[in-house]
Amino acid sequence: DTAVSQTPKYLVTQMGNDKSIKCEQNLGHDTMYWYKQDSKKFLKIMFSYNNKELIINETVPNRFSPKSPDKAHLNLHINSLELGDSAVYFCASSQDNIQPQHFGDGTRLSIL
Amino acid sequence: GESVGLHLPTLSVQEGDNSIINCAYSNSASDYFIWYKQESGKGPQFIIDIRSNMDKRQGQRVTVLLNKTVKHLSLQIAATQPGDSAVYFCAERTGFQKLVFGTGTRLLVSP
Repeated sequence: DTAVSQTPKYLVTQMGNDKSIKCEQNLGHDTMYWYKQDSKKFLKIMFSYNNKELIINETVPNRFSPKSPDKAHLNLHINSLELGDSAVYFCASSQDNIQPQHFGDGTRLSIL
Repeated sequence: GESVGLHLPTLSVQEGDNSIINCAYSNSASDYFIWYKQESGKGPQFIIDIRSNMDKRQGQRVTVLLNKTVKHLSLQIAATQPGDSAVYFCAERTGFQKLVFGTGTRLLVSP
């Protein structure tokens, strides 16, 4: 039973394309997040949503647009992909601000 | 591929030894701290957490120590096993729902 699931696991595409990554959690959590992990393993928050409302937007380029159709889903759409977007993107969820965040297994995005 | 993370600080221990992984955090107002374990190809997995009103918290084979005076966090793993080999991250909560992660330490456990 995967608690936080992301699709696809791997995404290889060309510069300039538009792509989406999907995330679903079955934990009943109210809050969901997107993180980016670079080649040095540095993990940084991009966005958080609480009950479908955007709470955190960490100066991410507006080519990145999160969408939360309901509180169990948080998708990430990326327009006009650039080489620097190559990274592993992690979705996470938590019950509230107090509980630890639970992470998915990541989507490895490679831009050719 | 596995070429990522080669520049991470690395701690190498023998199976059965105790391991101590250290972390310096940045924000003296942070009120909550977490340790995560990340295995290859997986997402970070929660290990243990501690609130700023505590100095020490123990779990199964793991202990977290918090020294707010010097803004230092440590994770102690007792009787380290090969399955403990992974990258370990500390994280601090600096604001509402916002976790800031440290740079990570790679733990290598030799049989």
